[in-house]
Amino acid sequence: AQKVTQAQTEISVVEKEDVTLDCVYETRDTTYYLFWYKQPPSGELVFLIRRNSFDEQNEISGRYSWNFQKSTSSFNFTITASQVVDSAVYFCALKNSGGSNYKLTFGKGTLLTVNP
Amino acid sequence: DAGITQSPRHKVTETGTPVTLRCHQTENHRYMYWYRQDPGHGLRLIHYSYGVKDTDKGEVSDGYSVSRSKTEDFLLTLESATSSQTSVYFCAISTGLETQYFGPGTRLLVL
Repeated sequence: AQKVTQAQTEISVVEKEDVTLDCVYETRDTTYYLFWYKQPPSGELVFLIRRNSFDEQNEISGRYSWNFQKSTSSFNFTITASQVVDSAVYFCALKNSGGSNYKLTFGKGTLLTVNP
Repeated sequence: DAGITQSPRHKVTETGTPVTLRCHQTENHRYMYWYRQDPGHGLRLIHYSYGVKDTDKGEVSDGYSVSRSKTEDFLLTLESATSSQTSVYFCAISTGLETQYFGPGTRLLVL
């Protein structure tokens, strides 16, 4: 069975603060993919990043960075110098590469509110 | 932009009526998916397709059927809509078995 836990239901910060969104996953597979999606108030789901289980290198893209640690089964997402436009629900997701490899398992999401 | 459209974007219907949602893609991707999004549940897979006429069930498939007669179209049918099927429905595509890209969603209200 696979599971994704986003323990933070809601986070509220003031603009320019840094914020980290936590994601913990469970899987029995040794090869898998992890994802982050953003859902702004307009409702669409926007793909942000995919990480393979065999690549633990952290990634930075502008103000966004991702910390993948297999030892703790975590794939955390940090926004540096947050902006009001970052306000959204963020979903972490897991997909195994073998067996039922169609299935994308989502966490329940973290609502981030960035206040001016 | 993954070239995915969903229609209708909003629909209100009554309990017991059949409803069909359409997902259309322009880029010939093999894999297509239907999810529903509900508060407290995140996104859950209803059905998916791995080719024309090739479909299978996801985790919440009861009360839903799907069809894929052409590569570009994946239809989701609620045979007899119930209030518990009020939800936001998302279609997704993937190029292989990796990243899924989502359509804009359909808001369905069953009265």
